[in-house]
Amino acid sequence: DTEVTQTPKHLVMGMTNKKSLKCEQHMGHRAMYWYKQKAKKPPELMFVYSYEKLSINESVPSRFSPECPNSSLLNLHLHALQPEDSALYLCASSQRDYNEQFFGPGTRLTVL
Amino acid sequence: AQKVTQAQTEISVVEKEDVTLDCVYETRDTTYYLFWYKQPPSGELVFLIRRNSFDEQNEISGRYSWNFQKSTSSFNFTITASQVVDSAVYFCALSEARGGKLIFGQGTELSVKP
Repeated sequence: DTEVTQTPKHLVMGMTNKKSLKCEQHMGHRAMYWYKQKAKKPPELMFVYSYEKLSINESVPSRFSPECPNSSLLNLHLHALQPEDSALYLCASSQRDYNEQFFGPGTRLTVL
Repeated sequence: AQKVTQAQTEISVVEKEDVTLDCVYETRDTTYYLFWYKQPPSGELVFLIRRNSFDEQNEISGRYSWNFQKSTSSFNFTITASQVVDSAVYFCALSEARGGKLIFGQGTELSVKP
C-alpha cells in the first residue's frame, strides 16, 4: 500500500460544529504532517508528528487540535472554526522527518 | 531564513514544446534538501524528485529533467515534448536537514494546450 488516504473528501460545517479530519498511511512512515492550502497559494505547514510525538506546531490556533493515535493514523479535530478557515487540508507522511513527503488527496473544508 | 522563489507565475505552451520551470532558493544551511511537486487540478500533490545539497548530479526521468546548481542556488525543472497531461501547478520546495518543514515556492501554473 503506497498511498495516503484522507476522509472525508468534502466537509461543510457551521462555526459552532465539531468535526474531525482523518488521515491514514500504511507505508511504515514515522512522520506525518498537516498542511492548509488556500486557492492559488502553496501549502502551509500546520503540524508535524515524528514517531507519534508532536514535533512542530506552526502557531496554529487552538481551534485546530491534532492527534496521532498510532503510527498509521493522524486526526485533525476542528472546533469553532471561522469562515477564513475554509481551505484544502492536506495530510502527508514520510519515512523520517527529512525524507520526501507523500500527500493524500486532501479534504476540502467549507466553514459557513 | 530559508526562501524559495519561483518567478514564473504562469506559463502557457503548445503541446510538444519544451518548457523550463525556474526555482531559486536561499538557505544558510550546508545540508538541505530540494524537492519538486506537481499539483494537478484534482488537488493532490505528487512527489517528483528530491535532491540532497551534497549531490549536484543532474537527473533525467523520461521527459523530465532537473538541473541543480549550487553556485547559482537554482534547481530548475525541464519538461521535454510537453503534453496536455503535464498541465498543473508545479511547486519547488526546500527543507532543512531535520524537522520536516517544507518551504514551498509560490508555484508555477503550467498550461499545455493541444
